[in-house]
Amino acid sequence: EPEVTQTPSHQVTQMGQEVILRCVPISNHLYFYWYRQILGQKVEFLVSFYNNEISEKSEIFDDQFSVERPDGSNFTLKIRSTKLEDSAMYFCANPKNRMNTEAFFGQGTRLTVV
Amino acid sequence: KNEVEQSPQNLTAQEGEFITINCSYSVGISALHWLQQHPGGGIVSLFMLSSGKKKHGRLIATINIQEKHSSLHITASHPRDSAVYICAVWKETSGSRLTFGEGTQLTVNP
Repeated sequence: EPEVTQTPSHQVTQMGQEVILRCVPISNHLYFYWYRQILGQKVEFLVSFYNNEISEKSEIFDDQFSVERPDGSNFTLKIRSTKLEDSAMYFCANPKNRMNTEAFFGQGTRLTVV
Repeated sequence: KNEVEQSPQNLTAQEGEFITINCSYSVGISALHWLQQHPGGGIVSLFMLSSGKKKHGRLIATINIQEKHSSLHITASHPRDSAVYICAVWKETSGSRLTFGEGTQLTVNP
């Protein structure tokens, strides 16, 4: 069973600092998604990424956020100038196709902003 | 109103009981996922459905596209089934993003 690996599993950061969350994709799975789950709330879509560019983003995904594949392999979510309300679980998903396919979620990164 | 509604929000069962979790949606979809989230937070995909019924071990998922409703059944429940079960859909009009329900917290007592 292929797996998506996310690092770190848990990150604590000071308010105002930048964090980078990483996702190691499955070979030949070219679609990438970031989702967020604030404690006690439902999972929310942040952004989708394909062919080295953003294909769709939500209203949550403002200028504070950015995504890239810096080395052509790992997929990263950067959060600049973190705020307390950015504390959440962040999930990477890496399906093989755009739709109607297994989502392949990573284990998640628990971000705590203090 | 949420586009994806799950019921119940919380469910407590005794080991061995048959469990049903329901998901209703109010939009056109191309497929529906059932996901499992353990206390540590990780999400595991259980089923993807666009019609009919799927079975994997003690888990059964059904979907009725006309009624916009899906159910997840667990037969002979076990304490290790305790988790949050989440319904998520691909909306026909939302590109490739998933839209999630609030989740159902299942606790199975020995």
